[in-house]
Amino acid sequence: GAVVSQHPSRVICKSGTSVKIECRSLDFQATTMFWYRQFPKQSLMLMATSNEGSKATYEQGVEKDKFLINHASLTLSTLTVTSAHPEDSSFYICSATGALTGGWNTEAFFGQGTRLTVV
Amino acid sequence: GIQVEQSPPDLILQEGANSTLRCNFSDSVNNLQWFHQNPWGQLINLFYIPSGTKQNGRLSATTVATERYSLLYISSSQTTDSGVYFCAGGEKLTFGTGTRLTIIP
Repeated sequence: GAVVSQHPSRVICKSGTSVKIECRSLDFQATTMFWYRQFPKQSLMLMATSNEGSKATYEQGVEKDKFLINHASLTLSTLTVTSAHPEDSSFYICSATGALTGGWNTEAFFGQGTRLTVV
Repeated sequence: GIQVEQSPPDLILQEGANSTLRCNFSDSVNNLQWFHQNPWGQLINLFYIPSGTKQNGRLSATTVATERYSLLYISSSQTTDSGVYFCAGGEKLTFGTGTRLTIIP
């Protein structure tokens, strides 16, 4: 299967600072990337969908000025949590779909996730 | 948007037992997937199964697209099978509510 690498896996930051999370597709062109947030013992909630070269589409209730998403290339998308607060502490995970070797595939592959703690 | 329900929410089994997990969609999807989330949060792809039946070792899955449901079968459970199982699908890759499986030695 395809490989999606997410970085960092764990980050602790102070309130008011910004944190950037990277999501890279290592062996395929990720035309679409999804960013999710997961609270303890809950399911994954979609935050936004991004297509390479265009603005991200945010889900209802997700502040786009707080969660900045950039999908500038076919292998990299970033999520920046701006002016982080303790309530932003959560598990963030990205996924990607796109053109694998041999053709188009809509199967999604996930990064390892980032556990953000804001103190 | 699409609603995805999974059942049962929790399942506790002895090692060696078989189990069936179910996933129901409120609307048709053409990209249904099953995942296993390990204790560190990583989502492991189990099956990409928009329709039909697939098998991989002790795991198999069947999707009946016309009736908007999918089943995941785990045979001869091992303690390493413990964790949360999710199904997901649809344009926005909507996730189900999950099934927490605990295998007791």
